[in-house]
Amino acid sequence: QKEVEQNSGPLSVPEGAIASLNCTYSDRVSQSFFWYRQYSGKSPELIMSIYSNGDKEDGRFTAQLNKASQYVSLLIRDSQPSDSATYLCAVKDWNAGNMLTFGGGTRLMVKP
Amino acid sequence: GAVVSQHPSWVICKSGTSVKIECRSLDFQATTMFWYRQFPKQSLMLMATSNEGSKATYEQGVEKDKFLINHASLTLSTLTVTSAHPEDSSFYICSARDQASIYEQYFGPGTRLTVT
Repeated sequence: QKEVEQNSGPLSVPEGAIASLNCTYSDRVSQSFFWYRQYSGKSPELIMSIYSNGDKEDGRFTAQLNKASQYVSLLIRDSQPSDSATYLCAVKDWNAGNMLTFGGGTRLMVKP
Repeated sequence: GAVVSQHPSWVICKSGTSVKIECRSLDFQATTMFWYRQFPKQSLMLMATSNEGSKATYEQGVEKDKFLINHASLTLSTLTVTSAHPEDSSFYICSARDQASIYEQYFGPGTRLTVT
């Protein structure tokens, strides 16, 4: 059974700092990796997707994937109070119905 | 693009009644839609996978006779919670996968169900 693990937090960072969110997964055949942001009472919204080893940058967000170590991380530079939310890591295995498996989420708090 | 809508956004019903939730992909065709449930302070739990024109695939522990799913077209899937009980109160979220892309899923805004 696939497992996706995240520290539940809360992770508290000051405004302007870099927030680092980590995720590990158990299934070596997972091929696609996603980070979603979920505000309280709202549904998740896709922030980043990454499919190959290395870094992928999009604005203030950088996703990092290391398949050998089975972890994926999300860095948020210049953190803003509006970034305060729960961040969900999700992995997908194309050979297993192409379904997303979600981690439990990490709650991020950015303090002004 | 890639907008998924849900209706209603919230609903309150009495115990024993049935509630239907609609999920629509507004600007793309979705052969596959997913239904999730999320309890407070918990992560998303996949309930079922809905494929257009065929029966839904339910996750272990999800009662197919209680949570009826119909995916009659490429843009609409419905979830009916039958004989609802207070323990069914939750945030129900649908997600749709664009037929043109196998990579990404787009989430609807969710439906908050409260059963009294």
